[in-house]
This record gives sequence, structure tokens and C-alpha cells, in this order.
Amino acid sequence: KAGVTQTPRYLIKTRGQQVTLSCSPISGHRSVSWYQQTPGQGLQFLFEYFSETQRNKGNFPGRFSGRQFSNSRSEMNVSTLELGDSALYLCASSFLQGIDEQYFGPGTRLTVT
Amino acid sequence: GQQVMQIPQYQHVQEGEDFTTYCNSSTTLSNIQWYKQRPGGHPVFLIQLVKSGEVKKQKRLTFQFGEAKKNSSLHITATQTTDVGTYFCAGPINTNAGKSTFGDGTTLTVKP
Repeated sequence: KAGVTQTPRYLIKTRGQQVTLSCSPISGHRSVSWYQQTPGQGLQFLFEYFSETQRNKGNFPGRFSGRQFSNSRSEMNVSTLELGDSALYLCASSFLQGIDEQYFGPGTRLTVT
Repeated sequence: GQQVMQIPQYQHVQEGEDFTTYCNSSTTLSNIQWYKQRPGGHPVFLIQLVKSGEVKKQKRLTFQFGEAKKNSSLHITATQTTDVGTYFCAGPINTNAGKSTFGDGTTLTVKP
């Protein structure tokens, strides 16, 4: 089975721009979660999507949004980028919603200048 | 909100020494998961513990879930250089079986 894939792997954007990141889960997995990882804040949960619906949301501003498509692929969008948004964005898929082992993708390294 | 605290933040050991990381929650957890992230890599699922007092082993790794389901530990016997990385515990965000809150991780370095 192919693992979780994320595109692009690296991105450089300037402040004020917006960015869209993509995640393709493991085949058969219907839950996709997004995390932000920074050296100072660790792994912070952004949101979880299951069956095209946002099921859980972390404590992030409204500039961070996401969606899930009928094939379970997910995208997250960050608008009006700030320097502090520079981070590794990780996507994780799982078979079930909620409590379930998660399989992480390689991440997208976003740098905001 | 619910917090999952992990200690120590860093651990440096000589190859062959044992290593333990501890995870503590302010509330009872329905389950706890452990992940390992190698330098430059992404977190990889290791195990999930569900039952009170549960102990599971994976070769040199021993995972425990406390009786009160508020704490957990990961113990590595006779560390090897391949054990290098950051070990995270993760517990559910809320009682509605939401996705997990990750601890800050323990970064293990092993000196050969």
C-alpha cells in the first residue's frame, strides 16, 4: 500500500500571500488530520476531516482552513501568511475517525519570508 | 484544556544504556499512542495502549499505561544508535474521541 503523500514538499512564500497544501491519504483511510510542527511548539493539531466534514478543530486562527474531497484527499489553506506560519505541516491519515493510529506523510516545509 | 506532558525533553545516553520517557495527562485518557520521529523524518506510529495497567513489548521497547490511565512510559533496554529520534506520546483531545494531543516529545541521542 502506498503511504501518505503530501505536495509540495517545500514552499517559500512571502508575508501576506496564501498557500494551499495537499494530502493524499492511504487508500481506504477516510480520516485526514493536519498538524503544524515547529521547534518551539512541537506538534500542534490543526483539524481533522472525515467523510468530507471537519470533525475536530485545534486552536488556530481562521486563516487556517481545510477541506476534504470525496476521494478522501485533503487540502489545507493558509491565508495572509505571517512569518510565524513557517513550519513543517504534517498530514496524517487513519482508517477511523477519532481514536485510531495515524500514519503521517513526509510533510510540507513552508518558509514565510 | 487537556494537556499531555512529557519528560524529559532531552536524553543523552551511551549506547547500551537504558532509556525511559514519561508521559502524564491532567485527565484520564481513553487510550495513549506512542510515535517515533527520526531526525528529518515524520512521526511513525509505534503502539496504542487502551487498558488500565496495560504493558506491551516490542523487542527492546516496553510500553506501559498507568492504572489510573493518566500516565504512560516507554522504556528502551540497551539502546542502539538506531533508537535515535524524538519519541512522542499522544492522547485524545476530548472525551468525544477527538484526535490526539501530542506531548512535546523526548529527544534521544545515543553516543556510540
